[in-house]
Amino acid sequence: AQSVTQLDSQVPVFEEAPVELRCNYSSSVSVYLFWYVQYPNQGLQLLLKYLSGSTLVKGINGFEAEFNKSQTSFHLRKPSVHISDTAEYFCAAYSAYGGATNKLIFGTGTLLAVQP
Amino acid sequence: EPEVTQTPSHQVTQMGQEVILRCVPISNHLYFYWYRQILGQKVEFLVSFYNNEISEKSEIFDDQFSVERPDGSNFTLKIRSTKLEDSAMYFCASSPTAQGETQYFGPGTRLLVL
Repeated sequence: AQSVTQLDSQVPVFEEAPVELRCNYSSSVSVYLFWYVQYPNQGLQLLLKYLSGSTLVKGINGFEAEFNKSQTSFHLRKPSVHISDTAEYFCAAYSAYGGATNKLIFGTGTLLAVQP
Repeated sequence: EPEVTQTPSHQVTQMGQEVILRCVPISNHLYFYWYRQILGQKVEFLVSFYNNEISEKSEIFDDQFSVERPDGSNFTLKIRSTKLEDSAMYFCASSPTAQGETQYFGPGTRLLVL
């Protein structure tokens, strides 16, 4: 069975500092991987995704993530955060196996708290 | 840019009442989903829908839940007899195809069952 793990429930960081939000997945088959962001009282917005190809993917708002198959990780990074990046970040995955379920499995989320 | 819309944004209901949550997926998308997020918890899959039938459902999606695409644009989630534990944010999502595609989420409906 697939699972997505976000070990950090909250990550406090100062403005303009770099940040990494960790995501590990567990699956017996290849997966597609996504990062979504949820701003307070809003819905889920896609930040970036890995489907195939280059393992380094760039998303909106200066975020990027690297797919590491050997470590089954898809960590999200930003070199310099802003106050406006304060939000909940969710890592999600679904199976890339043709014909398999396409339900997204979400991690528990990481609250990025950017302080001035 | 096309987006998924949901109505209402908030709904308060009494336990035992029926509620219908409405979604308008992106117009050329063929796959539709409902997810929910109980306050402080992670987003959970409820059901996926394709070609006018359920393609997959979770154990959460019991007989109290149903989905329907009543016309060419709307996609609804009905809870027949709400329970306190149904209080959550409900997200609708859609994608053009099943595999290898992003699921685009609506803004959610916050349901509070009293």
